[in-house]
Amino acid sequence: GENVEQHPSTLSVQEGDSAVIKCTYSDSASNYFPWYKQELGKRPQLIIDIRSNVGEKKDQRIAVTLNKTAKHFSLHITETQPEDSAVYFCAVMEYGNKLVFGAGTILRVKS
Amino acid sequence: GAGVSQSPRYKVAKRGQDVALRCDPISGHVSLFWYQQALGQGPEFLTYFQNEAQLDKSGLPSDRFFAERPEGSVSTLKIQRTQQEDSAVYLCASAIRDTPGDTQYFGPGTRLTVL
Repeated sequence: GENVEQHPSTLSVQEGDSAVIKCTYSDSASNYFPWYKQELGKRPQLIIDIRSNVGEKKDQRIAVTLNKTAKHFSLHITETQPEDSAVYFCAVMEYGNKLVFGAGTILRVKS
Repeated sequence: GAGVSQSPRYKVAKRGQDVALRCDPISGHVSLFWYQQALGQGPEFLTYFQNEAQLDKSGLPSDRFFAERPEGSVSTLKIQRTQQEDSAVYLCASAIRDTPGDTQYFGPGTRLTVL
């Protein structure tokens, strides 16, 4: 089955700086890659996703890049704000529509 | 509109007790998923329904875990003879169709603590 590795496990940045989280996966047939944000005690919420027919997607301060050859994708957050502090999970859709998640990255934005 | 809801939000059970966790998906959503999230970890897949049909139960950890969705809407995850290792947050998610890449919308989860 699919194996997803996520780095770093924790990330501290100063408000206004950029944050980058990277994930690698094992199954070259995978073609859907969402990112979820989870605040403490809350539900995971989709913040951005990318499909294998594009290499980059941007939504305001958030962008995701995908390198299918290297089997990795990254989340980029620019101009970080304190409300960006949360746990971020990457995921890969496996055959049968189930999502395989990374272990998560705790992002702390210091003001 | 209303999102995915789950009940109860918190459940404390003594080891050996049976529990039932409920998921109300977004109205009209065809696909329903259950995930288990251990403390400090990402969600892990348990089972998947397309309408009332359980198409994949490969993630259920043991035969003590059972899920159903008899009318293709509300789903129940049942755990028999709970063990301490069952303590986790159980998340339900729904998607509008059964097409790969459809967004999965998550509920708030049920935090199960087994004493």
